[in-house]
Amino acid sequence: EAGVTQFPSHSVIEKGQTVTLRCDPISGHDNLYWYRRVMGKEIKFLLHFVKESKQDESGMPNNRFLAERTGGTYSTLKVQPAELEDSGVYFCASSGDRGDYGYTFGSGTRLTVV
Amino acid sequence: GNSVTQMEGPVTLSEEAFLTINCTYTATGYPSLFWYVQYPGEGLQLLLKATKADDKGSNKGFEATYRKETTSFHLEKGSVQVSDSAVYFCALRSKAAGNKLTFGGGTRVLVKP
Repeated sequence: EAGVTQFPSHSVIEKGQTVTLRCDPISGHDNLYWYRRVMGKEIKFLLHFVKESKQDESGMPNNRFLAERTGGTYSTLKVQPAELEDSGVYFCASSGDRGDYGYTFGSGTRLTVV
Repeated sequence: GNSVTQMEGPVTLSEEAFLTINCTYTATGYPSLFWYVQYPGEGLQLLLKATKADDKGSNKGFEATYRKETTSFHLEKGSVQVSDSAVYFCALRSKAAGNKLTFGGGTRVLVKP
C-alpha cells in the first residue's frame, strides 16, 4: 500500500508569508496526526483528526496555525503569518481503527522561515 | 503530564561496537513504549515497541525492555553497522493522554566504518 505522503518536502518562506503543508494519509485510515520537531528538539504533537473531525488540537501552538481535513481524506496545515520560530520539520502520521499502535509517518516537510 | 527523557547525542561509534541509548519516562496510567528511527532523508519508522511491563521489543538486532520499576526503556544493539546511522527517538503513548505520542528529544547515532 502507498505510505503517508507529505508535500512539499522542503519549503523556505519569508517571515510574514503564508505556507500550506499537505498530508495524504494511507487510504482508509481514519486517524490523522500532525507533529512537529522544532530546532532539533523533541517531536511534539499538534493535533489529531478522526475522519474530518478534530479529535484533539491541544498541541496547536497558536491561532496562526489552521488545520483542515475536508472530506476526511487529505489534510492541510496552514501557517499564517509564519514566524521564525515556526521553522522545523512537520510530520504527518495516519493509523487505522482507534489509532492503535500502527502509526505510519510521512517523510516530513522541512519548513524554514527566514 | 507525560514526558520522555533520552540521552543527548551525537553518539559516535565504530562498526561492530555495542550501542546503548538510555530512555526514561514519566507517564500517567500504563503507557506503551516505542522506539522510532529516522534514517537520513526518510520519515519516522517504528523500530520496536513494548506494551506492558517486562515486555521486550526487538527488531533488526535492536532490543529494549519495558522496565516499570525504573521507568526505563533503554535501546541496545550488540554490533552496530554503518547503516544504523540515524536519529533514534524514544516515545510513549497512554490512553490517559488521548493516545497521542510523546517523544524524547532524539539521539543522533553515527557509525563509522
